[in-house]
Amino acid sequence: GIQVEQSPPDLILQEGANSTLRCNFSDSVNNLQWFHQNPWGQLINLFYIPSGTKLNGRLSATTVATERYSLLYISSSQTTDSGVYFCAVERGSNYKLTFGKGTLLTVNP
Amino acid sequence: DTGVSQDPRHKITKRGQNVTFRCDPISEHNRLYWYRQTLGQGPEFLTYFQNEAQLEKSRLLSDRFSAERPKGSFSTLEIQRTEQGDSAMYLCASSSQGARSPLHFGNGTRLTVT
Repeated sequence: GIQVEQSPPDLILQEGANSTLRCNFSDSVNNLQWFHQNPWGQLINLFYIPSGTKLNGRLSATTVATERYSLLYISSSQTTDSGVYFCAVERGSNYKLTFGKGTLLTVNP
Repeated sequence: DTGVSQDPRHKITKRGQNVTFRCDPISEHNRLYWYRQTLGQGPEFLTYFQNEAQLEKSRLLSDRFSAERPKGSFSTLEIQRTEQGDSAMYLCASSSQGARSPLHFGNGTRLTVT
């Protein structure tokens, strides 16, 4: 099956700093989504972005499908950004998302 | 839109017992998914419904697991003869009909098998 690798596995920031999270995938995909899992376990969909660039407030994401990677940018980080960020991809039409292991982000005040 | 609702939030059971979880998707969503998440890992796909039809099942879903979605509304996931390895967070998600629509997850049911 398709492999999804996320880096870095852990990241610690001071409030106000910027960060870039990366997701590499092993095969062509027709669906890529970024999620944030907060410390209480709730998974929130951030972006549906199989290709191109999207912006949502302090967050933006870029997927370069031909090179099989996606980047999530967080600017001016806040303590509420803490949690695990997951990249998930789908190949084919079976509606099954394969998740990476995530990046654990800690933003300190 | 009240979001995806799951019940119960937590379940502690003894090995060998049967458990059933419920998921109520976002009302206008016709696609419903079950995932399982263990500590330190990303969610793993279990099964997918489009309306009442179960269209995809993972090999992770052994014959002790069964999922239903009667009338294409809420869904239940039953685990029979629970084992300690079933301890995990069980997540339900839903999405709309549109191609590759984003998934919306519920808060999950945390199962602990003692």
